[in-house]
Amino acid sequence: GAVVSQHPSWVICKSGTSVKIECRSLDFQATTMFWYRQFPKQSLMLMATSNEGSKATYEQGVEKDKFLINHASLTLSTLTVTSAHPEDSSFYICSAQMLQFTGELFFGEGSRLTVL
Amino acid sequence: KNEVEQSPQNLTAQEGEFITINCSYSVGISALHWLQQHPGGGIVSLFMLSSGKKKHGRLIATINIQEKHSSLHITASHPRDSAVYICAGGTRIGNQFYFGTGTSLTVIP
Repeated sequence: GAVVSQHPSWVICKSGTSVKIECRSLDFQATTMFWYRQFPKQSLMLMATSNEGSKATYEQGVEKDKFLINHASLTLSTLTVTSAHPEDSSFYICSAQMLQFTGELFFGEGSRLTVL
Repeated sequence: KNEVEQSPQNLTAQEGEFITINCSYSVGISALHWLQQHPGGGIVSLFMLSSGKKKHGRLIATINIQEKHSSLHITASHPRDSAVYICAGGTRIGNQFYFGTGTSLTVIP
């Protein structure tokens, strides 16, 4: 099946620094990529939807200036957590979709962010 | 009220039992996804359904569009099936996804 690679799988950073997480579709072109965060023992929370070449659409309550999403190519999307704080510590997951609206979802392995 | 409701939230079964996880949704969707998340966090897409029934190995997923309901069945359950199962509905308008809260399944040997 299609593979989505997420990097890094875990990262520890100091409060106030910025962290970039990459999501790559390795063997297909992803028209749409999604970013989620997940707190312990909770389900996925969709943060934003990004279509290649256009600005991301953020879910209500997600700060677009805090969580910068770039989807510059059909195989790469990045999430940058700017000026990270301990409350940003979470598990961040991306997924990629081949065909808009009805395509199957392929998930990255997730990135665990810990902000000290 | 969530747009996608799952039941049960937690489920413990003996190895070999037949398992059913239910998903009801209140929004119009173009496709219903069943996802599996293992303790390490990785998520695998099990099924994507827009109608009828799909089968993959011991897993069966069904959807009833009129009743806005989907079920995931696991036959001859095994401890390696222990995971969180999440259903998610995708819509055409705005390409939105609505996630259920997940069902945590534990299969005991």
